Amino acid sequence: AQSVTQLDSQVPVFEEAPVELRCNYSSSVSVYLFWYVQYPNQGLQLLLKYLSGSTLVKGINGFEAEFNKSQTSFHLRKPSVHISDTAEYFCAVSDFGGSNYKLTFGKGTLLTVNP
Amino acid sequence: GAVVSQHPSWVICKSGTSVKIECRSLDFQATTMFWYRQFPKQSLMLMATSNEGSKATYEQGVEKDKFLINHASLTLSTLTVTSAHPEDSSFYICSVPTGSISAFFGQGTRLTVV
Repeated sequence: AQSVTQLDSQVPVFEEAPVELRCNYSSSVSVYLFWYVQYPNQGLQLLLKYLSGSTLVKGINGFEAEFNKSQTSFHLRKPSVHISDTAEYFCAVSDFGGSNYKLTFGKGTLLTVNP
Repeated sequence: GAVVSQHPSWVICKSGTSVKIECRSLDFQATTMFWYRQFPKQSLMLMATSNEGSKATYEQGVEKDKFLINHASLTLSTLTVTSAHPEDSSFYICSVPTGSISAFFGQGTRLTVV
């Protein structure tokens, strides 16, 4: 079984400040890792994913995340946030089993960017 | 443009009635689609896996007779909430897995049962 822990339910920051959203996971097998963003009353949009290779992954909208296997973490970062980054962010994992994988999501972190 | 289209985006129904939610894959042929449920301020919980041409696979604790899933074609899956009750009010989201080990999500359906 897999689980995902997002340590912060809410993160308020000021515009142009850096931000880090934390994600830790547990799994008995190797996993794929994802970050999704959800704007109010909308579905999820993929920000970035880690499958293999370089542990630093760059995604859309200036976000990046670093996979740390020893700490079982996949924290999301952005050096300078904008008001438009205000949204709910979900970390998710999927195991290597089969082609029709399932995603296990964390509880989400609400990022609020204030002017 | 949208890869996965979900309809309706919101619906209000009376208690005891049934509601059908459609999930269409616009760019992919999907033998599998996933249905999630999201309660306010909580994460997405997988409800079931919709399989084209066969029965859906339900997660533990999900009532298959209440949440009917039909995967009619390679581009359409439907979720029907039967005999809806206020506790069924939630945000329902479908997703279509892609070959690049990712998934596209529909825009979600906000169901309110009154």
